Amino acid sequence: EADIYQTPRYLVIGTGKKITLECSQTMGHDKMYWYQQDPGMELHLIHYSYGVNSTEKGDLSSESTVSRIRTEHFPLTLESARPSHTSQYLCATRDRVGTEAFFGQGTRLTVV
Amino acid sequence: KNEVEQSPQNLTAQEGEFITINCSYSVGISALHWLQQHPGGGIVSLFMLSSGKKKHGRLIATINIQEKHSSLHITASHPRDSAVYICAVGDGHNTDKLIFGTGTRLQVFP
Repeated sequence: EADIYQTPRYLVIGTGKKITLECSQTMGHDKMYWYQQDPGMELHLIHYSYGVNSTEKGDLSSESTVSRIRTEHFPLTLESARPSHTSQYLCATRDRVGTEAFFGQGTRLTVV
Repeated sequence: KNEVEQSPQNLTAQEGEFITINCSYSVGISALHWLQQHPGGGIVSLFMLSSGKKKHGRLIATINIQEKHSSLHITASHPRDSAVYICAVGDGHNTDKLIFGTGTRLQVFP
């Protein structure tokens, strides 16, 4: 059973607010990822980390930022939310390159 | 053209039917992943394979590396199989990033 958790599951927030989406895992995996998924569309990588103090931008440009201070946590922050940020955000981990990916339940964000 | 193409996009079946979902890719890969996404949004990994065939319960996944094609089969389908099935490939580079298809939405009716 995968142990990766995202909070909150659903969030409705006003334009201009700062928000942080949490992702935690108890598997000790070094590799963590954030994906953005619009309804009916494929997942796009927006950030990834290969370990503590390592973060990289993904293939899809995003105004969000991430941090990796501890192995277990990989939070994603939007400094000033906009309606264009409305989407589902999925966090994932992998033990190492070439292995199975484990996904969280996702955070469905709506910015009004 | 997407690097990972799935067909069909939508699939409706009667309970008990045999279902096949196809995935074609155009890049070199390290492995191919089949994922399941339920309406709540969470994603579960079903299979990861780089050759041959894998079976888990009523699910079977096959891959043909030469033809760059994979299929996911569901035998004796059930309404609880209703979900979006996503094909993803590891890009085979150092970072092995996953490239995703747009998914196949399956509805199984009783």
